[in-house]
Amino acid sequence: GESVGLHLPTLSVQEGDNSIINCAYSNSASDYFIWYKQESGKGPQFIIDIRSNMDKRQGQRVTVLLNKTVKHLSLQIAATQPGDSAVYFCAENTGGFKTIFGAGTRLFVKA
Amino acid sequence: GAGVSQTPSNKVTEKGKYVELRCDPISGHTALYWYRQSLGQGPEFLIYFQGTGAADDSGLPNDRFFAVRPEGSVSTLKIQRTERGDSAVYLCASSLAVAGANNEQFFGPGTRLTVL
Repeated sequence: GESVGLHLPTLSVQEGDNSIINCAYSNSASDYFIWYKQESGKGPQFIIDIRSNMDKRQGQRVTVLLNKTVKHLSLQIAATQPGDSAVYFCAENTGGFKTIFGAGTRLFVKA
Repeated sequence: GAGVSQTPSNKVTEKGKYVELRCDPISGHTALYWYRQSLGQGPEFLIYFQGTGAADDSGLPNDRFFAVRPEGSVSTLKIQRTERGDSAVYLCASSLAVAGANNEQFFGPGTRLTVL
């Protein structure tokens, strides 16, 4: 069946360093991918998205890279801050509005 | 402005009981989604509404789960004969659902359901 997964369940980085969170997806027909951030006790919060006709998209301190050849998605956070500590999910839209989430990566930022 | 709200924030019930979980989406958002999130897992899609109708209910685990959105705004997720395995955080999200656009989903804080 469809699945979106993550390579690393936890990631610990030093404040000020760059963070890279990776994700693999299995449905080659997916055309829209999203990264979400979830803090404890809160719902997921949209960070950045990318369509399958693109391979890179940049936002404020974040960049998403899409490699359709190997079905891989990554989120890069520049100059990681303590407020970036959270669980990060990649997700894919499968033809419309149904969204499939991965299991998540927990990011720890050390001061 | 007001975001997505969900009530109650916590619900504890006994096995076999009936529960209702409520979601108030962002005003003007025509699309509404329900997800279930177990500890340490990503949200699991349950159902999606476009207006008053359920456009995709393929994620509902069985016929004990039902959701309604009678006026195209507030939605209620109903669970009959609750089981301990239903314990999870139930998340609601809404979006503008503009055709051809990327539809950012705005999530509520969730309802934590505990079935004893």
